[in-house]
Amino acid sequence: NAGVMQNPRHLVRRRGQEARLRCSPMKGHSHVYWYRQLPEEGLKFMVYLQKENIIDESGMPKERFSAEFPKEGPSILRIQQVVRGDSAAYFCASSLPGTPYNEQFFGPGTRLTVL
Amino acid sequence: AQTVTQSQPEMSVQEAETVTLSCTYDTSENNYYLFWYKQPPSRQMILVIRQEAYKQQNATENRFSVNFQKAAKSFSLKISDSQLGDTAMYFCAFMKPYFASGNTGKLIFGQGTTLQVKP
Repeated sequence: NAGVMQNPRHLVRRRGQEARLRCSPMKGHSHVYWYRQLPEEGLKFMVYLQKENIIDESGMPKERFSAEFPKEGPSILRIQQVVRGDSAAYFCASSLPGTPYNEQFFGPGTRLTVL
Repeated sequence: AQTVTQSQPEMSVQEAETVTLSCTYDTSENNYYLFWYKQPPSRQMILVIRQEAYKQQNATENRFSVNFQKAAKSFSLKISDSQLGDTAMYFCAFMKPYFASGNTGKLIFGQGTTLQVKP
């Protein structure tokens, strides 16, 4: 039973390029959360998606960032025109809500470096 | 808005000894969940322990236990018989109950405490 998969594990982009981060949830999970971890900081919530719907994007920067979770395929976090400040580790977590504590299972993260 | 504060950026402990990591939080909610996550050098986030606010009994998982003080909004993690494999960054996190109206189950994390277990 595979866990949450994220790829790539490491991504290097130059300023102005686009970054696409992928997250495949655990089998049977239909809910995905994205978090960002800046160097030496804790994880910060970005967006919460269910299949084909964005439920909560209160943590997403207003510009350049977007997320989707299509009916088929992985969830994608897309960052357009990356800047140095986007350098961080991006984690996704999947869940299958059935309890009030909504246990989330984390992927290994994607480390984005912007040159 | 909820906040989570970990005031100890770094801590160290000798192997086999006990260490306590501190966490305080701020919320106006009466019912919520608190978590401790471990992030080893591999960066994989691992759930260590969970506490439900409406339960007075402190949660325990093997060598890991918490001291939950609801009135003081304090949630510390005690690691007994520390092992080298406990070396990691530890995050305290808060969540409002998922099924409650308007709650989306997002986790709010503290800044983390880096724990070094020394041989």
